Amino acid sequence: SQQGEEDPQALSIQEGENATMNCSYKTSINNLQWYRQNSGRGLVHLILIRSNEREKHSGRLRVTLDTSKKSSSLLITASRAADTASYFCATGSSNDYKLSFGAGTTVTVRA
Amino acid sequence: ETGVTQTPRHLVMGMTNKKSLKCEQHLGHNAMYWYKQSAKKPLELMFVYSLEERVENNSVPSRFSPECPNSSHLFLHLHTLQPEDSALYLCASSQEAGKGSQYNQPQHFGDGTRLSIL
Repeated sequence: SQQGEEDPQALSIQEGENATMNCSYKTSINNLQWYRQNSGRGLVHLILIRSNEREKHSGRLRVTLDTSKKSSSLLITASRAADTASYFCATGSSNDYKLSFGAGTTVTVRA
Repeated sequence: ETGVTQTPRHLVMGMTNKKSLKCEQHLGHNAMYWYKQSAKKPLELMFVYSLEERVENNSVPSRFSPECPNSSHLFLHLHTLQPEDSALYLCASSQEAGKGSQYNQPQHFGDGTRLSIL
């Protein structure tokens, strides 16, 4: 069953603006991961945040995790055209071999 | 760039054909995965292999048959597919696979095989 759900489904912004997308999940997790998928390509791992962490940064990416609300956000600052892609959250739990992916947020950065 | 290579990139086949998808990882990982990605849907996990042993079969129809001859190679054998099987099939690998907090590691994906069933 689907664990993570991203919001919004689609996002269009101007180059240089920030993009924020959210992920909500239902059950307890070990960690939450964000992935990017460019058109016609596979998924690329961006960042992993553990359940005991609240915030993590990687370059222009900032991820927050609120386990009390079962939600996470991904912020891309100073967006570039190359950031145009679909972004997926995925959750991992102790009871499962698998990561559970959401349906993704499609981000379009206009030049 | 990717350490996971999938071939072919595109495949068109009839419902009565038999074909195989191939995945090879050059990362020294011990776990490999097959996923199905359909438009507007979350990724569906199909199979998980850990050290060449299948540890998860996610209720996949028998017309999909995986094979993992060693930890670097993974195949998906296809036969008598249906039109609804048209999708992007993604292979991934991770260092380890298992149940527990030390797992759920980042996965490295190939670029997929775009499969179309006529």
